[in-house]
Amino acid sequence: QVQLVESGGGLVKPGGSLRLSCTASGFTFKDYHMNWFRQAPGKGPQWIAYISDRDGTYTNYADSVRGRFSISRDNAKNSMFLHLTGLRSDDTAVYYCTRGFCDTTACYHGLAGDWGQGTLVTVSS
Amino acid sequence: EIVLTQSPATLSLSPGETATLSCRASQSVDTYLAWYQQKPGQAPRLLIYDTSKRATGIPARFSGRGSGTDFTLTISSLEPEDFVVYFCHQRSDWPPGTFGHGTRLEIK
Repeated sequence: QVQLVESGGGLVKPGGSLRLSCTASGFTFKDYHMNWFRQAPGKGPQWIAYISDRDGTYTNYADSVRGRFSISRDNAKNSMFLHLTGLRSDDTAVYYCTRGFCDTTACYHGLAGDWGQGTLVTVSS
Repeated sequence: EIVLTQSPATLSLSPGETATLSCRASQSVDTYLAWYQQKPGQAPRLLIYDTSKRATGIPARFSGRGSGTDFTLTISSLEPEDFVVYFCHQRSDWPPGTFGHGTRLEIK
């Protein structure tokens, strides 16, 4: 079955950096677009980054992270990454790796059909 | 940014009853509205997409309807595991899309 496992979260000081990883299994990774979402304590989820399938040519970011975060993928390792820089206290959240959602007829940008268990990023001095 | 307002914030019902959760958008999202369920300590799970389509493996007692700005998620014959948090999510303006703040379904 589909499995997504995030790693790399932790406690970091304001202005610091982290690299999150997502390792996928149970499906043909290169065939799916992927997203990162995050969820701050007590809040709803928030989409933050997208990478297209195959060679990951197309990426996109939420305004709140554009220029600070960078998404990438390595299909040979069935992995996706999120490089976080210039971290701020409002970046504190659980970060989720998600597989783009497809049904029998189409793939739907912006939807998350499968989620990892999440990795906690805490930004605090 | 399209704002989604969910009501009520908390809904108290008993097992076996029917729950009706509401989601209102600040402007039309056509039918690009989804619902997610989130259990404590777990990631959200997609229940309904494009207003009324059930994701794979979701029981028929979960149903969605609406269009434009007003949407509902109905859960019939509530079971104990249904008493968790539900989020609505619109992708009409993706990226970024937005989520509501959630409705907590609690046992009365």
